[in-house]
Amino acid sequence: KDQVFQPSTVASSEGAVVEIFCNHSVSNAYNFFWYLHFPGCAPRLLVKGSKPSQQGRYNMTYERFSSSLLILQVREADAAVYYCACTPGGGNKLTFGTGTQLKVEL
Amino acid sequence: NAGVTQTPKFQVLKTGQSMTLQCAQDMNHNSMYWYRQDPGMGLRLIYYSASEGTTDKGEVPNGYNVSRLNKREFSLRLESAAPSQTSVYFCASRGYGLAGREGTDTQYFGPGTRLTVL
Repeated sequence: KDQVFQPSTVASSEGAVVEIFCNHSVSNAYNFFWYLHFPGCAPRLLVKGSKPSQQGRYNMTYERFSSSLLILQVREADAAVYYCACTPGGGNKLTFGTGTQLKVEL
Repeated sequence: NAGVTQTPKFQVLKTGQSMTLQCAQDMNHNSMYWYRQDPGMGLRLIYYSASEGTTDKGEVPNGYNVSRLNKREFSLRLESAAPSQTSVYFCASRGYGLAGREGTDTQYFGPGTRLTVL
């Protein structure tokens, strides 16, 4: 079965770098997508690709079957759910992980 | 541009009632999707439409029907609601942001509909 795996919870201190890990068993998938979701809002894309990339404070590492999202200089406002997703090819159908709740300790 | 909009934001139904969740996008995207979000389960695909006039089942289609009314609109119907369908429902469309003139090629989500079935 096509699945994406990520931890349910990750904790970090303010100002630190936090890493959220993801790996998959999706057939022929090689693109990763990382989404941010605050309750009551639309999930929003942070970073995506089939190679390491960076968007502001968000870094994405890449290997064929795994990716990590690194958030630099973590803030209290970063406390949210982060979804990892992957897809073969162009991304018409995304398979999502179960989401990782980031908890930020002051 | 409003992006992806969904109505209603909240809905409470009794078991056996029917309702339609509405979704519209103004980004001229071909593909549209319906997901449900449940605690510990993440986002699961219910149905999707790769283009106007086509629909396909996703991971959890049972109990739902969809209609791709035109390029902009994709509705999700619950014919006989069950408590197991209590969830938050998200609509998404795929393409470049802002009618293809900027942004990145990905799925853009609406703000969700919180549905409770009693």
